[in-house]
Amino acid sequence: DIQLTQSPSSLSASVGDRVTISCRASQTIGDFLNWYQHRPGEAPSLLMYGASNLQRGVPSRFSGRGSGTDFTLTISTLQPEDFATYYCQQSYATPWTFGQGTKVEIK
Amino acid sequence: QVTLKESGPALVKPSQTLTLTCTFSGFSLIASGNCVTWIRQSPGKPLEWLARIDWDGDEFYNPSLKTRLSISRDIAKNQVVLAMTGIDPLDTGTYYCGRLRAITAPYYIDYWGQGIQVTVSS
Repeated sequence: DIQLTQSPSSLSASVGDRVTISCRASQTIGDFLNWYQHRPGEAPSLLMYGASNLQRGVPSRFSGRGSGTDFTLTISTLQPEDFATYYCQQSYATPWTFGQGTKVEIK
Repeated sequence: QVTLKESGPALVKPSQTLTLTCTFSGFSLIASGNCVTWIRQSPGKPLEWLARIDWDGDEFYNPSLKTRLSISRDIAKNQVVLAMTGIDPLDTGTYYCGRLRAITAPYYIDYWGQGIQVTVSS
């Protein structure tokens, strides 16, 4: 199985901060990398697909980069509603796998 | 508007079969490119992909659980059912269904249900 390692596992940040989350794959996956946001008590939601494509309706402060094995999700200006857990997921090969998550908390 | 909702038992005894239903609306599971998938999250573990059923009826399973899983669909009811046999306390967790778009790669889950918490205990 392809392992996805996210870093950091958690971070504390303030509204207005720039936040970057990394996701590293155990083998090359091209751009077959998606990002999801999960707020407590809510359904997870798709942020980015294909590493850098913003899902319809997602604010432009979210951006994604990378290909091969190294990927990043950046929130340019953190907003109150962005405090959540973020997961990367590869759809390059089954079984699809997820990173362990990065929890973004309020400083 | 696409919505999905999971239903099933909140408590299951070990060795029983867990049957979960995903009831969806806003899309057709026989329209090309539409799939429904199941994912779970056990305490302290990452999200784990379980199974998927496609618009053409094809089924896909996580190899690590394939012998225990069965996914099926009821087109008329807009439902997808996941059955898991030989339930163990390690299967405790939150189970999600989602719509998967599989038109062109990379595939992604664009809508998720809120999840159902399942506890395995005697």
